[in-house]
Amino acid sequence: AQSVTQLGSHVSVSEGALVLLRCNYSSSVPPYLFWYVQYPNQGLQLLLKYTTGATLVKGINGFEAEFKKSETSFHLTKPSAHMSDAAEYFCAVSLNTGGFKTIFGAGTRLFVKA
Amino acid sequence: NAGVTQTPKFRVLKTGQSMTLLCAQDMNHEYMYWYRQDPGMGLRLIHYSVGEGTTAKGEVPDGYNVSRLKKQNFLLGLESAAPSQTSVYFCASSPSGTDYNEQFFGPGTRLTVL
Repeated sequence: AQSVTQLGSHVSVSEGALVLLRCNYSSSVPPYLFWYVQYPNQGLQLLLKYTTGATLVKGINGFEAEFKKSETSFHLTKPSAHMSDAAEYFCAVSLNTGGFKTIFGAGTRLFVKA
Repeated sequence: NAGVTQTPKFRVLKTGQSMTLLCAQDMNHEYMYWYRQDPGMGLRLIHYSVGEGTTAKGEVPDGYNVSRLKKQNFLLGLESAAPSQTSVYFCASSPSGTDYNEQFFGPGTRLTVL
């Protein structure tokens, strides 16, 4: 069965430090992978996505993620955290079957300390 | 473009009351979705629609009904609200059901059932 696991419901970093948010998935077929960001009292917006091709994907606001098939992972990183990055981040996976199923992870709330 | 809008933003109901949440999108998207977001559980799909006049059940459909009479609108109804339906509800839309398409989210409706 398809599933998404985000390790750590809360992550705290200092401003300027590396951001690493972990996402692992399980899927019996090649997945499409997404990261969404949710700022307080707002809806989700797409940060980046992997469909096919290059496994290192760059998104908005300096974030990037790498699809590692052998590790079934799609971790999100940013070299230097900014206060404005404080938000909740959701990893999501869709099956490459032409079907209609996107599964969201439980979310990781990122805190950025001054 | 306004994107995806939701009405109302907040609502408090008593157990047994009914209400309808309205979602509207101006992007001419075929697909629309209703999710609920609960702490630690990510987003769970309630119902979705692949086009005007069609609806289908998602992961947690019980206690909810939907209608898609017009392409741009997707209504979510609660016939007899229960405290377990206290949640934040998000509407989303996408150009099609192709799995690599991102979903565009509304700002959410915060519903409390007493």
